Amino acid sequence: DGGITQSPKYLFRKEGQNVTLSCEQNLNHDAMYWYRQDPGQGLRLIYYSQIVNDFQKGDIAEGYSVSREKKESFPLTVTSAQKNPTAFYLCASSNVNTEAFFGQGTRLTVV
Amino acid sequence: AQSVTQPDIHITVSEGASLELRCNYSYGATPYLFWYVQSPGQGLQLLLKYFSGDTLVQGIKGFEAEFKRSQSSFNLRKPSVHWSDAAEYFCAVGADNFNKFYFGSGTKLNVKP
Repeated sequence: DGGITQSPKYLFRKEGQNVTLSCEQNLNHDAMYWYRQDPGQGLRLIYYSQIVNDFQKGDIAEGYSVSREKKESFPLTVTSAQKNPTAFYLCASSNVNTEAFFGQGTRLTVV
Repeated sequence: AQSVTQPDIHITVSEGASLELRCNYSYGATPYLFWYVQSPGQGLQLLLKYFSGDTLVQGIKGFEAEFKRSQSSFNLRKPSVHWSDAAEYFCAVGADNFNKFYFGSGTKLNVKP
């Protein structure tokens, strides 16, 4: 089945640690996105990528980093510089002039 | 700047009653508009989309939405709500040739038996 797979579903981070969230798609989509979701704030764009080896900052990129070495993969690293990382993270993909398709999300909690 | 406003944070309706969720957008060019639904702890599922043409669009699960350019609105409707419709609903606009999607803050729907 085609779709977007995010892993892990739950992730716990200690203070000062970097953690990486995985996002893989087999939809052959060119574009991929990372969103952060907090209660009452909707989805906020962290980073997006239109092609391999290229990506752009979204509205809340500080404290995050990404890579796009393969078309199907777009991992997100939450660095120690992100002071409030506890949130629900959603990965999405799309092609030109199509809707965004979403993964099932990763819930990150600082412990 | 592009933005999407969903003025209702929570809505409660009785099962079988009609539903309308409001969405207003701000976008300079022709908007590409979407409604998504999210169950707790899950990803977002597309309900319907508007790109062009007929301003009344039909979606899955019996939902429809009407694009009104003069009011910059794209309200979601359902004639008879089912208990399984309880979820959070997000309106979104696709901008910059789909380089970005902007989302509203969501409306949580509760359904009373």
